[in-house]
Amino acid sequence: DSGVTQTPKHLITATGQRVTLRCSPRSGDLSVYWYQQSLDQGLQFLIQYYNGEERAKGNILERFSAQQFPDLHSELNLSSLELGDSALYFCASSLGQGGGPQGTQYFGPGTRLTVL
Amino acid sequence: LAKTTQPISMDSYEGQEVNITCSHNNIATNDYITWYQQFPSQGPRFIIQGYKTKVTNEVASLFIPADRKSSTLSLPRVSLSDTAVYYCLVGDNGDSSYKLIFGSGTRLLVRP
Repeated sequence: DSGVTQTPKHLITATGQRVTLRCSPRSGDLSVYWYQQSLDQGLQFLIQYYNGEERAKGNILERFSAQQFPDLHSELNLSSLELGDSALYFCASSLGQGGGPQGTQYFGPGTRLTVL
Repeated sequence: LAKTTQPISMDSYEGQEVNITCSHNNIATNDYITWYQQFPSQGPRFIIQGYKTKVTNEVASLFIPADRKSSTLSLPRVSLSDTAVYYCLVGDNGDSSYKLIFGSGTRLLVRP
């Protein structure tokens, strides 16, 4: 158990809909990261927040947005959903924001999103 | 766009040493290289991290050459439970904005 929690575990919805995925980081961690993993594919970095501020951005679609709240939990919002958005969405957290040991990421169990 | 490249798959037998290499030609100057293990439908699990030369922990070693454009994860004496996908992760400044890039993943199969 990494200490990172994600809800819900599974989500089934229809095209065109909007969903919100939630992540609670490990106690004491200030950074939160979001990744997308499509079926049998690698991990695609979406976005990173550090202490409430956006720190780095990957290839995140304009239909997707995220935020980190004062209590450090984060939400990933996916709107106008398409079939191709079906994937596992992982959240990770780290103590700091850099690329060193304080940036070591610990991953949650993921949310499996199915768009029908 | 910078890439990180890994072999798609590797086969090994129990008790053997396995070496998986990742090339990352545009790694950010101050970033460490991190390796993760992933089982099906689970989140990646941290294995080891390093900046240069060699790092060893209780499960693996990581070799990083002076130019830091590649790294090699070494798993000593693998067992069946090491069958998984292994990813390298680096920070990249290739297109002037910082991004985190996972390698494409190496699917390791350990046979009895």
